[in-house]
Amino acid sequence: EVQLVESGGRMVRPGGSLRLSCVASGFTFDDHGMSWVRQAPGKGPEWVAGITYNGGSTSHAESVRGRFTISRDNAKNSLYLQMDSLRVEDTAFYYCTRRSHFFDYWGQGTLVTVSS
Amino acid sequence: DIQMTQSPSTLSASVGDRVTITCRASQSVGDWLAWYQQKPGKAPNLLIYKASTLQSAVPSRFTGSGSDTEFTLTISSLQIDDFATYYCQQYKSFSSLTFGGGTRVEIK
Repeated sequence: EVQLVESGGRMVRPGGSLRLSCVASGFTFDDHGMSWVRQAPGKGPEWVAGITYNGGSTSHAESVRGRFTISRDNAKNSLYLQMDSLRVEDTAFYYCTRRSHFFDYWGQGTLVTVSS
Repeated sequence: DIQMTQSPSTLSASVGDRVTITCRASQSVGDWLAWYQQKPGKAPNLLIYKASTLQSAVPSRFTGSGSDTEFTLTISSLQIDDFATYYCQQYKSFSSLTFGGGTRVEIK
């Protein structure tokens, strides 16, 4: 069974930093691209960032480019999202997803709240 | 970025109804389009990819069609479990993936 378990979400002040983690199981992690997708309360999903199976290529949404960085550690079956210079509008549930174009498995999400 | 526009934003229907949701892209995305279902408090669930390919374990009452800029998701006979919000998503380019605004299917 495919499982994606996110962690690291919490409340943080504007301008602060946070690192989200996702541990994958139930499939061959280094065979698949991975992504982060976020969803603000009451809003639709928004793609945040994606990474290829070997980490050789990454892409970030314009809204987070230069502030967020996606990475992975295939030895640990783990995906990460480093979030710097956080803004109030980054408040959302952040989902770890399998694949880098469409998303066939999603984690349960971790809540990031940016507030003063 | 490619903009995705869904219609209607809300749809009221009864069990057994045939339901159609439309998704339009601001420029051609070929057949690089996916559909998701989301229920309150849960993550979205993939229904269809490549415009018309049914994801494993998704009931056959769900059908996707279309190409280029116009796509539809059809539920042939609405079931209680289908009352949810539906999103389309284009994936023409790895560097810019976008979702539609969503269509909420509610009980009439």
